[in-house]
Amino acid sequence: AQSVTQLDSQVPVFEEAPVELRCNYSSSVSVYLFWYVQYPNQGLQLLLKYLSGSTLVKGINGFEAEFNKSQTSFHLRKPSVHISDTAEYFCAVTRSNDYKLSFGAGTTVTVRA
Amino acid sequence: KAGVTQTPRYLIKTRGQQVTLSCSPISGHRSVSWYQQTPGQGLQFLFEYFSETQRNKGNFPGRFSGRQFSNSRSEMNVSTLELGDSALYLCASSFGAGGLYNEQFFGPGTRLTVL
Repeated sequence: AQSVTQLDSQVPVFEEAPVELRCNYSSSVSVYLFWYVQYPNQGLQLLLKYLSGSTLVKGINGFEAEFNKSQTSFHLRKPSVHISDTAEYFCAVTRSNDYKLSFGAGTTVTVRA
Repeated sequence: KAGVTQTPRYLIKTRGQQVTLSCSPISGHRSVSWYQQTPGQGLQFLFEYFSETQRNKGNFPGRFSGRQFSNSRSEMNVSTLELGDSALYLCASSFGAGGLYNEQFFGPGTRLTVL
């Protein structure tokens, strides 16, 4: 079975500063990796995904993530955050022959002016 | 294209009652998955349906059940509600064919409060 660890539960950051959210996974087989964002009282919105190919993945709203197979990591980054990026972020993994997502515990990002 | 819709958005029940939640997937999607989100346990997979058949099930008691109709709409039922069932229940749909078609699209959720 696969599991996901998000290393930071809370990340406070100032507006226009960079942010990095860390995610490590464990799996004995090939996986697909995702980052989702959840705004208050809403469902999950896909930010980006890694399925195969280039290890640097670009997503919506200026986010990007890098897949590192040797370190089993999929860290999310944004070079300059906005107040509107305040939300909870979830890293998720699924196996190529599986139909369910396993989620990390989430990282709450709070952007301050 | 309309997104995933869930009804109702909010629900208040008392212990011992039962509840049914509904999910309409994106047109063309045949897979519907259900997740429970709580502050303590995070996001946990409940079950997944594809073409009216349950294909995957998480570690939840038998009080949690679901079904899928021929139009891919899905319902989830929780019987004999407990206080700990208070949660946001999220539905996600996908093509369900595996591989690159695994990408799941989430609805806004149903907030269930058990008193």
